[in-house]
Amino acid sequence: EPEVTQTPSHQVTQMGQEVILRCVPISNHLYFYWYRQILGQKVEFLVSFYNNEISEKSEIFDDQFSVERPDGSNFTLKIRSTKLEDSAMYFCASSEPSGGLTKNIQYFGAGTRLSVL
Amino acid sequence: AQTVTQSQPEMSVQEAETVTLSCTYDTSESNYYLFWYKQPPSRQMILVIRQEAYKQQNATENRFSVNFQKAAKSFSLKISDSQLGDTAMYFCAFRGNFGNEKLTFGTGTRLTIIP
Repeated sequence: EPEVTQTPSHQVTQMGQEVILRCVPISNHLYFYWYRQILGQKVEFLVSFYNNEISEKSEIFDDQFSVERPDGSNFTLKIRSTKLEDSAMYFCASSEPSGGLTKNIQYFGAGTRLSVL
Repeated sequence: AQTVTQSQPEMSVQEAETVTLSCTYDTSESNYYLFWYKQPPSRQMILVIRQEAYKQQNATENRFSVNFQKAAKSFSLKISDSQLGDTAMYFCAFRGNFGNEKLTFGTGTRLTIIP
């Protein structure tokens, strides 16, 4: 069964460093998302992406964050200068284009745990 | 803006019993989608069940079913014949009807199945 793949599973970084979290969405999906979950809290939306541009972003997604689809398979989230409060689980998700049988369902990767020291 | 409320932070039930998790939401939209996701200790987000608001029939998936009350904006999850593998955090989520709208999650219910 197709799945969303995220790497690495755990990333440790020093405050102020740049990190890139990587995701490979399901191959025929066209909508991509990033969410984050601070330990013990709910899952929060960061950004959605379609047709090579951001569709929507939350207040959390400030200038320190960026997303990119550098090729036909990867979808990345970059944090330019990490802060302690960026420590969280980051989930990538993807969904089918409209008209697909499983449209409106977002499939999640296993997440990347980011630890900022 | 949509909000999703889960008023039960924790629940526990004996194995093989039935348990119901509550979720309410607020929206001004008439058509939308509701989901329950399960997050086991591995922290992967796994879709359990979804409901389309324009469908009156409650969704079911094997031992999982929902009670969708559109007028009351209520969307509860019933787990029948609970199993140890059902132990997880359960998140209720809302999605609007347009394009690639985001999911809005509730705060979750930690469910423990007791052997």
